[in-house]
Amino acid sequence: NAGVTQTPKFQVLKTGQSMTLQCAQDMNHNSMYWYRQDPGMGLRLIYYSASEGTTDKGEVPNGYNVSRLNKREFSLRLESAAPSQTSVYFCASSHTPGTANTDTQYFGPGTRLTVL
Amino acid sequence: AQKITQTQPGMFVQEKEAVTLDCTYDTSDPSYGLFWYKQPSSGEMIFLIYQGSYDQQNATEGRYSLNFQKARKSANLVISASQLGDSAMYFCAMREPYANNNAGNMLTFGGGTRLMVKP
Repeated sequence: NAGVTQTPKFQVLKTGQSMTLQCAQDMNHNSMYWYRQDPGMGLRLIYYSASEGTTDKGEVPNGYNVSRLNKREFSLRLESAAPSQTSVYFCASSHTPGTANTDTQYFGPGTRLTVL
Repeated sequence: AQKITQTQPGMFVQEKEAVTLDCTYDTSDPSYGLFWYKQPSSGEMIFLIYQGSYDQQNATEGRYSLNFQKARKSANLVISASQLGDSAMYFCAMREPYANNNAGNMLTFGGGTRLMVKP
């Protein structure tokens, strides 16, 4: 039982390059999330997916796109990376709010992204 | 306005002593959830403890307890018998009712407190 896994762990991009961050969970959770954490700050929500087939914007969605590939996988894409997107990216998953005794979000190990 | 405030950027505690990390929150809704996460230097986010706004008793999980004072809108984390491995960043987060925002189960995080345990 791996929980939430993310790939890659580290990535360096040049301005304008694109890449996709992968996330998978094996906890049978319906809801999945992408957050970013800038130095010295808490996490901010980029996008979330309440269930397979749905995605919605969070607090800071500009410059990102997401795909909920199936119940297990939720990917985050940067189409044209910018230095302002240098950050640590976390994926998380939870039960759907209101459907379980707990909707605690469990996080993956993070991806450290640097855009030059 | 900030919804989650952690006023202690950094704290020291002697090994084996107890420590309280402060968290105040702001919401007008009666239904919400409060979470504490630990982030060690390795970077992962580890869930520690949860308190629901309607829970009658303070949450406890091993050496962690949550001092929930609803009228004061505070949810302080108490770590008893500190260990060297407790040295980390600690984040308080709030989940408001998903009907109140466009991001479902969005967590709003505080700025964190860096705890350093001295041997």
